[in-house]
Amino acid sequence: AQKVTQAQTEISVVEKEDVTLDCVYETRDTTYYLFWYKQPPSGELVFLIRRNSFDEQNEISGRYSWNFQKSTSSFNFTITASQVVDSAVYFCALSEDRGGADGLTFGKGTHLIIQP
Amino acid sequence: DTAVSQTPKYLVTQMGNDKSIKCEQNLGHDTMYWYKQDSKKFLKIMFSYNNKELIINETVPNRFSPKSPDKAHLNLHINSLELGDSAVYFCASSYRTGRSGNTIYFGEGSWLTVV
Repeated sequence: AQKVTQAQTEISVVEKEDVTLDCVYETRDTTYYLFWYKQPPSGELVFLIRRNSFDEQNEISGRYSWNFQKSTSSFNFTITASQVVDSAVYFCALSEDRGGADGLTFGKGTHLIIQP
Repeated sequence: DTAVSQTPKYLVTQMGNDKSIKCEQNLGHDTMYWYKQDSKKFLKIMFSYNNKELIINETVPNRFSPKSPDKAHLNLHINSLELGDSAVYFCASSYRTGRSGNTIYFGEGSWLTVV
């Protein structure tokens, strides 16, 4: 069975610091997809990125970057020069083919607090 | 225009009541889901529908019954509400084109409180 582990329950940093959120996954499938979602205090779930298992290239989007390493089954997320607006709960998730409709297995989330 | 919209956003109701949460998506997706987020923020899939056909039905009490009248709608009806049903319920949708991994977009959530 698939599993996603986010070992960091809560991280608190001062604004402008860089911060990395860890994600480790388990799956028996060779084809799978990894996601990150952001849940700000307002409660909605905002899609950030999707990465398939065949693409190990790192990705950068502004201050956000993602490091996917199949060798360690990790998909870590780094925020550079953090800002107060980055304060949220961040979820890592895994998708496998479940017979016609994808379902996401979520990690327990990391609560990121950016202090001014 | 909201891509995935669900109503109501907030619902406070008494134990034993029956309630429904409605969900609609205007993204043209063929797959819709219901997820439950508990008080510890843990998110878990409850149901998924592909072209109105039930695909995933996780271990959920029979009191929860999804209904999909068409591809754009997936409603959640809950009978005989219990205190433990208090949670945030998220509707979501995606394309299902024969390959897994299409991005799943979520609604804003429905906060259900059972008193």
